[in-house]
Amino acid sequence: DAGVTQSPTHLIKTRGQQVTLRCSPKSGHDTVSWYQQALGQGPQFIFQYYEEEERQRGNFPDRFSGHQFPNYSSELNVNALLLGDSALYLCASSLALGYDTTAYEQYFGPGTRLTVT
Amino acid sequence: AQKVTQAQTEISVVEKEDVTLDCVYETRDTTYYLFWYKQPPSGELVFLIRRNSFDEQNEISGRYSWNFQKSTSSFNFTITASQVVDSAVYFCALSEFYGGATNKLIFGTGTLLAVQP
Repeated sequence: DAGVTQSPTHLIKTRGQQVTLRCSPKSGHDTVSWYQQALGQGPQFIFQYYEEEERQRGNFPDRFSGHQFPNYSSELNVNALLLGDSALYLCASSLALGYDTTAYEQYFGPGTRLTVT
Repeated sequence: AQKVTQAQTEISVVEKEDVTLDCVYETRDTTYYLFWYKQPPSGELVFLIRRNSFDEQNEISGRYSWNFQKSTSSFNFTITASQVVDSAVYFCALSEFYGGATNKLIFGTGTLLAVQP
């Protein structure tokens, strides 16, 4: 049973460029969340996708956008890259909550290390 | 506002010592979930435990144990007889029930645990 996979593993971009990161969720999961983890910090929530729609968004500018495909995989796009966008980008998958008090664990992928020069 | 505080930035112990990682959280909700994740040098976040706000029972899993106290808003993690393989960054996280989808995780800044042989 494959876990969460992300590609590429590492990426080096120049300021002003655009980047696309990819994520395939764990088998059976339908919800994908993206997090940004700067060096020495905890992960920060970017947004979450469910049923191909953005369901929730953190405090990130519109330069960060995403997409979810019918097979539940997801992409994170960052436009006009800044030096401060250098970070580890983590994708997490889970099952959507029903309208009850059950929460499902989020399973994380290995991340994509983005360096902006 | 939701917040997770891990006051211990780094902890260094010698193998076989017991070690406790502290986590204090803030939330206005009555329904919430607390998590611990382990992040080894490879970068992938590994899920350790989930606890909901209605269950204050302590939990033990092998050498790991967790102490949840709502009165002090704390969710501490103890490793008994630590091993070198326990060396990693440990994150405590909070998730509030959003309804309809898995809610975002709010992470602390992490505690780097170094277990010396």
